[in-house]
Amino acid sequence: GNSVTQMEGPVTLSEEAFLTINCTYTATGYPSLFWYVQYPGEGLQLLLKATKADDKGSNKGFEATYRKETTSFHLEKGSVQVSDSAVYFCALRPSDGQNFVFGPGTRLSVLP
Amino acid sequence: GAVVSQHPSRVICKSGTSVKIECRSLDFQATTMFWYRQFPKQSLMLMATSNEGSKATYEQGVEKDKFLINHASLTLSTLTVTSAHPEDSSFYICSVAGTDQLYGYTFGSGTRLTVV
Repeated sequence: GNSVTQMEGPVTLSEEAFLTINCTYTATGYPSLFWYVQYPGEGLQLLLKATKADDKGSNKGFEATYRKETTSFHLEKGSVQVSDSAVYFCALRPSDGQNFVFGPGTRLSVLP
Repeated sequence: GAVVSQHPSRVICKSGTSVKIECRSLDFQATTMFWYRQFPKQSLMLMATSNEGSKATYEQGVEKDKFLINHASLTLSTLTVTSAHPEDSSFYICSVAGTDQLYGYTFGSGTRLTVV
């Protein structure tokens, strides 16, 4: 079946540190891959996406590259800010369906 | 992408009562909406797929008689938690498929339900 695995949190970084949140997936076919962010008390917001191998999604300084050979979609940011503190969810949407499969989420705390 | 409004954002109810949560697609006619549930510090779990004009499709383990879903129009789906109990306390989020089926869906802002 389809599944998403993320690195366990919480992740605590100092402001301006480099961020990597690992995400790997298992899926049949060619899924689309997503990162969603959830700020405290809010719903999910789409952060970035990639729909095919070697695509790079980017937004607000965050990047992730669709790596089919390693079935990964790691999230990176060169310099985090306090305002980036949130929970980050990696997700996939199977090529043959509509429903998302979410990873467990990684909580990021950025300290000033 | 679609604009989704979810209401209420927070609700506290007594055990045994029912609570209705609304999910509206403000600028897009959504034939399909999805309802998710999120327990504290856990990921989202799909509860059901709401189809306009037909019965919702529930995921395994979700009680359809307890979580009533109505999708009577192309812009509104409702989730009613019937005879709520404290274990139903959770964060409920709806989502709407955008016009481009290849990309991500738009999520509502969520409803935090607390049953006391």
